[in-house]
Amino acid sequence: GAVVSQHPSRVICKSGTSVKIECRSLDFQATTMFWYRQFPKQSLMLMATSNEGSKATYEQGVEKDKFLINHASLTLSTLTVTSAHPEDSSFYICSANGGYEQYFGPGTRLTVT
Amino acid sequence: DAKTTQPTSMDCAEGRAANLPCNHSTISGNEYVYWYRQIHSQGPQYIIHGLKNNETNEMASLIITEDRKSSTLILPHATLRDTAVYYCIVRVARSNAGNMLTFGGGTRLMVKP
Repeated sequence: GAVVSQHPSRVICKSGTSVKIECRSLDFQATTMFWYRQFPKQSLMLMATSNEGSKATYEQGVEKDKFLINHASLTLSTLTVTSAHPEDSSFYICSANGGYEQYFGPGTRLTVT
Repeated sequence: DAKTTQPTSMDCAEGRAANLPCNHSTISGNEYVYWYRQIHSQGPQYIIHGLKNNETNEMASLIITEDRKSSTLILPHATLRDTAVYYCIVRVARSNAGNMLTFGGGTRLMVKP
């Protein structure tokens, strides 16, 4: 099946710094990728839809200036958490649209101290 | 996309069949039933999907009632590694940007020795 990778798998950063998370589709091209966030013991919540070559579409309540998304190629989307705070600590998961299916990455655990 | 209702949690003995129900009484004629699962601290994994006929693959079987208002995911011989949160999602299958998935609470399946 199609493979989506994320890097890093886990990251710890200090409050006020920025963190970049990469999402790559390894064996297929994805014009659309999705970014989800998951807090402990909760379900996945869609944050934004990343479209190659155009601006991302953010879900209501997600600050676009805080969560910067760049989908510069058909195999790479990046999510940058700017000026991170402890409440941004979460599990961030991306998925890539491969035809009729969505393929998920393994997730990135962000801890902000 | 139609909403789904799943039990919060279920237990299953190792080696026995795990039957996970899902209600989707407002499903539309062009909406498919998808099942994903999420093992702790990993990204969601696709299991199976169907429209109205029962489906089977190497992982599971999907039984959809004739009126399509509910379905059951069957893991025929559950193992400890099947312990996960199982999500039932109903949506139209689109081969474009509208392919996002909306996750509900899911069912936390605990397979016990």
